[in-house]
Amino acid sequence: DAGVIQSPRHEVTEMGQEVTLRCKPISGHNSLFWYRQTMMRGLELLIYFNNNVPIDDSGMPEDRFSAKMPNASFSTLKIQPSEPRDSAVYFCASSPRDTEAFFGQGTRLTVV
Amino acid sequence: AQSVTQLGSHVSVSEGALVLLRCNYSSSVPPYLFWYVQYPNQGLQLLLKYTSAATLVKGINDFEAEFKKSETSFHLTKPSAHMSDAAEYFCAVKGFQKLVFGTGTRLLVSP
Repeated sequence: DAGVIQSPRHEVTEMGQEVTLRCKPISGHNSLFWYRQTMMRGLELLIYFNNNVPIDDSGMPEDRFSAKMPNASFSTLKIQPSEPRDSAVYFCASSPRDTEAFFGQGTRLTVV
Repeated sequence: AQSVTQLGSHVSVSEGALVLLRCNYSSSVPPYLFWYVQYPNQGLQLLLKYTSAATLVKGINDFEAEFKKSETSFHLTKPSAHMSDAAEYFCAVKGFQKLVFGTGTRLLVSP
């Protein structure tokens, strides 16, 4: 398996634009996580899904953020409108039940 | 609810010295515990995991950790540091399928 695949690896966008980050989890994993990493706040859990259903989105910072998982092989994290303070590295991870999560390489987002 | 506290945002050791990175957890259910390592501009890689089997867990690159329920701790150790161990280390707890990370500890290794 190719592991967790995130795209794009880098994204530079202007403030106010919509940004969509994509994630393909490892086949057969039933949990999917979105994290945001910044120097100031460390690694924050934004939302996680079990069997494609959002379970806990309490980490989503604002209504500007939304995440979907339309099927077991694809998830998106959308920011609309984007702001400079959203600049961070966003990680997607997937996990089988009751064991470790496997991380993608991350998307580095810069909002100017 | 699950949470993790990592003591010390930075730890400095000399090459060949013992490495000790501290992690305390809180969980309302029997936890699964993990240590991950992150090298610059990379994702997180699993070092080792505790999933309710042996309390002393061995991982890659001679790292190990001991689960101590009475102390709610899961400290990471390595007998002899290498320069290549310089990285950021994250402790994580999983309960009810939710995976939560600590704030990380940056390990600095000097010659």
